[in-house]
Amino acid sequence: AQSVTQLDSHVSVSEGTPVLLRCNYSSSYSPSLFWYVQHPNKGLQLLLKYTSAATLVKGINGFEAEFKKSETSFHLTKPSAHMSDAAEYFCVVLYGGSGNTGKLIFGQGTTLQVKP
Amino acid sequence: EAGVAQSPRYKIIEKRQSVAFWCNPISGHATLYWYQQILGQGPKLLIQFQNNGVVDDSQLPKDRFSAERLKGVDSTLKIQPAKLEDSAVYLCASSLGGTGAYNEQFFGPGTRLTVL
Repeated sequence: AQSVTQLDSHVSVSEGTPVLLRCNYSSSYSPSLFWYVQHPNKGLQLLLKYTSAATLVKGINGFEAEFKKSETSFHLTKPSAHMSDAAEYFCVVLYGGSGNTGKLIFGQGTTLQVKP
Repeated sequence: EAGVAQSPRYKIIEKRQSVAFWCNPISGHATLYWYQQILGQGPKLLIQFQNNGVVDDSQLPKDRFSAERLKGVDSTLKIQPAKLEDSAVYLCASSLGGTGAYNEQFFGPGTRLTVL
């Protein structure tokens, strides 16, 4: 079965410093992986997705993630944090097929706090 | 383009009462999803519709939860009777769907349910 584990429930950084949110996945085949962000009182928004093309994936708002099969990881990074990045982040795997019959399996989430 | 609409945004009920949530997906989106997000956890898929047919309802507690998508557009999710553990945010999402490659899911703002 597919699953994801987010290694940190809470990450705190200072504005302007790098962000690293860690995610490990479990999959019996090459997975489709995503990062979603959830701001308070707003809907989930897709940051980026990996679907077996380039292993370094660039997303919106300066975020990127690298798929590392040998480490079964899909960590999310950003070179310089902004106050507006403070939110809940979810690592997600597509389970049960690569098409639209598959379903999203969410990790537990990582709360990113950005200090001024 | 208009996003996924949900109502109400907040609902407080007592246990054993009934409650219904409404979702209007993005125009033209064939696939509609209902998720349950308990505080401190990632969203969990409850049910997936393709047009007005159910694709996956394996995680839906059918003794108390029901959902319908008449005419393949709007959808309602009902809980009857509610239990304390149903307190959560209920998210609706939609996507183009289809039989091809995976299409992005777009999420609504959610309905926060509190059961007292």
